[in-house]
Amino acid sequence: QSALTQPASVSGSPGQSITVSCTGTSSDVGSYNLVSWYQQHPGKAPKLMIYEVSQRPSGVSNRFSGSKSDNTASLTISGLQAEDEADYYCCSYAGGSTLIFGGGTKLTVL
Amino acid sequence: QVQLQQWGAGLLKPSETLSLTCAVYGGSFTGYFCSWVRQSPGQGLEWIGELNLSGSTNYNPSLKSRVTISLDTSNNQFSLKLTSVTAADTAVYYCARRVGSGKYYFDYWGQGTLVTVSS
Repeated sequence: QSALTQPASVSGSPGQSITVSCTGTSSDVGSYNLVSWYQQHPGKAPKLMIYEVSQRPSGVSNRFSGSKSDNTASLTISGLQAEDEADYYCCSYAGGSTLIFGGGTKLTVL
Repeated sequence: QVQLQQWGAGLLKPSETLSLTCAVYGGSFTGYFCSWVRQSPGQGLEWIGELNLSGSTNYNPSLKSRVTISLDTSNNQFSLKLTSVTAADTAVYYCARRVGSGKYYFDYWGQGTLVTVSS
């Protein structure tokens, strides 16, 4: 069970849009619409941003959106703001009642 | 508002047993899984395992032989034990509530506990 693959870093300027990819396999991301995304600021616990590929929890800005195509899920943040600078992690159901995380992506707002 | 508060020993020697507890305030265990996730220094998140009110457990295959998660419903708490720790188990450990009923995401997290394994 290998970690899902995310780019180590992405960056964007305020107001721009960025997309973070999360690539798995046909045994996890590709088989289930059970991908979630978490934002983590330094020294803080992760915070749920997206669940079930594209659902946004109450209180999360609509600037955050999610999608999936085949074995790759994506998190898009539009209208980048300074407070979006954080690490982002994807997580997928991997069958057999197990879960797997991505390696994480550091978002820098230039 | 649901809050998870966790505690436990922060410094262990190799071969000892890691023991952490998480208390849940403002919510129940019904319909949820009590989960543990860890994050090695500078690394990503790793799912450890989970337990629900019915006693059903699910563990990361790579840790299964060393992990036990238990539930204390009378005190709204759940615990993690990890035996025979090594330096590779040094990490921040988080408790989290995983939504059940086939939904598989974590909606609330504890504050995290740094556990260091060193001789």
